[in-house]
Amino acid sequence: EIVLTQSPGTLSLSPGERATLSCRASQSVSSDLAWYQHKPGQAPRLLVYGASSRATGIPDRFSGSGSGTDFTLTISRLEAEDFAVYYCQQYGSSPNTFGQGTKLEI
Amino acid sequence: EVQLVESGGGLVKPGGSLRLSCAASGFSFSSYTMYWVRQAPGKGLEWVSYISSSSSYIYYADSVKGRFTISRDNVKKSLYLQMNSLRAEDTAVYYCARDALEGDYDLQSDGMDVWGQGTTVTVSS
Repeated sequence: EIVLTQSPGTLSLSPGERATLSCRASQSVSSDLAWYQHKPGQAPRLLVYGASSRATGIPDRFSGSGSGTDFTLTISRLEAEDFAVYYCQQYGSSPNTFGQGTKLEI
Repeated sequence: EVQLVESGGGLVKPGGSLRLSCAASGFSFSSYTMYWVRQAPGKGLEWVSYISSSSSYIYYADSVKGRFTISRDNVKKSLYLQMNSLRAEDTAVYYCARDALEGDYDLQSDGMDVWGQGTTVTVSS
């Protein structure tokens, strides 16, 4: 099973700042990686797939990069609605796995 | 409107069984891979199971393999999760989700782009 390790566990920033979230895989997943945003009481929201492709309707302040074992989600200018938990997920092999999440807080 | 609605959650005793359903609407259900994902209280997301559009490819997390069975009825536009031998650690909100990639594939994906609101399963005596 591929283990995804996200860092940091919690990121404290202010609106307007830049956020950089990391996801490291225990073995190569090529570009088979997605990022999700999850807010309490809501369904998760797909942000990025294929490591760097933005999902439909996602603002361009969200960008993904990386391949192999090291991936990054960058939010260029934080807005109030961006404060949530973010998960990476690999889908290149079974079982698919999620990282443990990064909480982005004000 | 593209929508997924889960049902079937509830309180069940350890060792018991439960069947979750997910009703799809607003899209061609038979063309998409579907998933079950869960979130235990205070924990992160956990991928549970995968079924391709034609049911040709099915996968499970190790934590549920041999106890849970995923299935789908493309005529009824519904996804199911039969959960047997339930344990306390299966307590979670269970989400169904759709893959963004249309077609019948083995582990190819564009991520999960449509999610239901979840149904709560509580395993307790």
